Amino acid sequence: NAGVTQTPKFQVLKTGQSMTLQCAQDMNHNSMYWYRQDPGMGLRLIYYSASEGTTDKGEVPNGYNVSRLNKREFSLRLESAAPSQTSVYFCASSLRDRGNGYTFGSGTRLTVV
Amino acid sequence: GEDVEQSLFLSVREGDSSVINCTYTDSSSTYLYWYKQEPGAGLQLLTYIFSNMDMKQDQRLTVLLNKKDKHLSLRIADTQTGDSAIYFCAETPESNSGYALNFGKGTSLLVTP
Repeated sequence: NAGVTQTPKFQVLKTGQSMTLQCAQDMNHNSMYWYRQDPGMGLRLIYYSASEGTTDKGEVPNGYNVSRLNKREFSLRLESAAPSQTSVYFCASSLRDRGNGYTFGSGTRLTVV
Repeated sequence: GEDVEQSLFLSVREGDSSVINCTYTDSSSTYLYWYKQEPGAGLQLLTYIFSNMDMKQDQRLTVLLNKKDKHLSLRIADTQTGDSAIYFCAETPESNSGYALNFGKGTSLLVTP
C-alpha cells in the first residue's frame, strides 16, 4: 500500500519560477489537504479539498493555487515562487469519518533562492 | 485564530515515562489526535481520543482528556530512544469543514540513554 505519495521530494527554485507539487492517494479517501511546516510555526493549512470537485482556502493560501484533478490527486501550484515559500510541504488525506485522522505523505522540501 | 498550545521541548531518560501536554481551543472538537514525526518524515497518527472519553490506553501510550479545561496529555511509558521525535496534538473543531485539523506547534521529545 503506497498511501499518500508526494513528488518531488526535494526542489530548489529561483525566485519567480513556477512549479507544481503533486500528491496522490490510493486509499479512496474523500478529503485531501496541503500543509506547510516551518520551524517554530508547526503545520499551517494552505488549501483543502473536502471532496472531489471542491477546494477551499486554509490559513495561508496566498501565493498558491490548487487543483483536485480527480478523487486520487490534489496538486499545489506556486505561480511565482518567493523566498518566503521556502518550507516543507505535506499533503494529507482522510475519510469523512474523523476518527481515522489523516494519512500524510513524506513531504516535499522546497527551497526558493 | 487561537492556537493549540504545546510545550516545545521535553527531555527524558530511557526507561522513564514521558508526559506531553496540550491545551486545545475548541470545545466542539469531537476527536483529538496525537501525531508523531520522525526526522525527515511525514506525520504518523499515533492515537486519538473521542471527546466523550476521558482516558484511552494503547500499549505504552495513555491519553488523558480533561474536557472542562480543554487539556490533553500523552503519556509514554518506558520511553525508548526510538521514541525521540516531534509530537503534535491536533483538534478538529466542528466549525472546520472538510475535517481540517488544527495542529499545535509540536513538542520535541529527546530520549537520552
